[in-house]
Amino acid sequence: QVQLVQSGAEVKKPGASVKVSCKASGYTFTSYGISWVRQAPGQGLEWMGWISAYNGNTNYAQKLQGRVTMTTDTSTSTAYMELRSLRSDDTAVYYCAMGGYYDSSGYYYFQHWGQGTLVTVSS
Amino acid sequence: QSALTQPPSASGSPGQSVTISCTGTSSDVGGYNYVSWYQQHPGKAPKLMIYEVSKRPSGVPDRFSGSKSGNTASLTVSGLQAEDEADYYCSSYAGSFVVFGGGTKLTVL
Repeated sequence: QVQLVQSGAEVKKPGASVKVSCKASGYTFTSYGISWVRQAPGQGLEWMGWISAYNGNTNYAQKLQGRVTMTTDTSTSTAYMELRSLRSDDTAVYYCAMGGYYDSSGYYYFQHWGQGTLVTVSS
Repeated sequence: QSALTQPPSASGSPGQSVTISCTGTSSDVGGYNYVSWYQQHPGKAPKLMIYEVSKRPSGVPDRFSGSKSGNTASLTVSGLQAEDEADYYCSSYAGSFVVFGGGTKLTVL
């Protein structure tokens, strides 16, 4: 069965960077991609982007362009999401997700989710 | 990339039916048959309940159903049960990205 296991909670200061990992199992990692979705406290879900584990192509949300980088390590079936120049409004639970219909822009919906990683940005 | 519009809350008594709406535009909900719905219990990751407007993943009870008319999609939960109390989010493919609704808190009275 598909499992996505994420790294633990992080506390960062404004202006710092954070890198969240998502280790996949239960399927052929390089045949699919990974999307990232975040959720600020008490708020809704926000699509951040996706990366193809097949060829490394990425598609980022417009508002995060220039601050976010998604990568994969195919040797360990792990996806990473790095967010730079952190602000207080980046405080959120960050989820990796996969599964569902997809094309070169990413998944159209998400069948499998990681458990989430809380990133707190505070001085 | 505006969020889809959902009512903030909905409620019903056990056994009743409740419908949650999700309004977008012709660039998202109205333009693609890729509306999905997620259930989220407190402190948990979202769970896919409906995809491609009206399809249910394996294991999701048939009490959950989805539909779409124009720019508005709907999720109907029939025969409400206590465990259905959760937040529900709609989402839609929008051409090169995915947009979510703001969420609806469903309360089982």
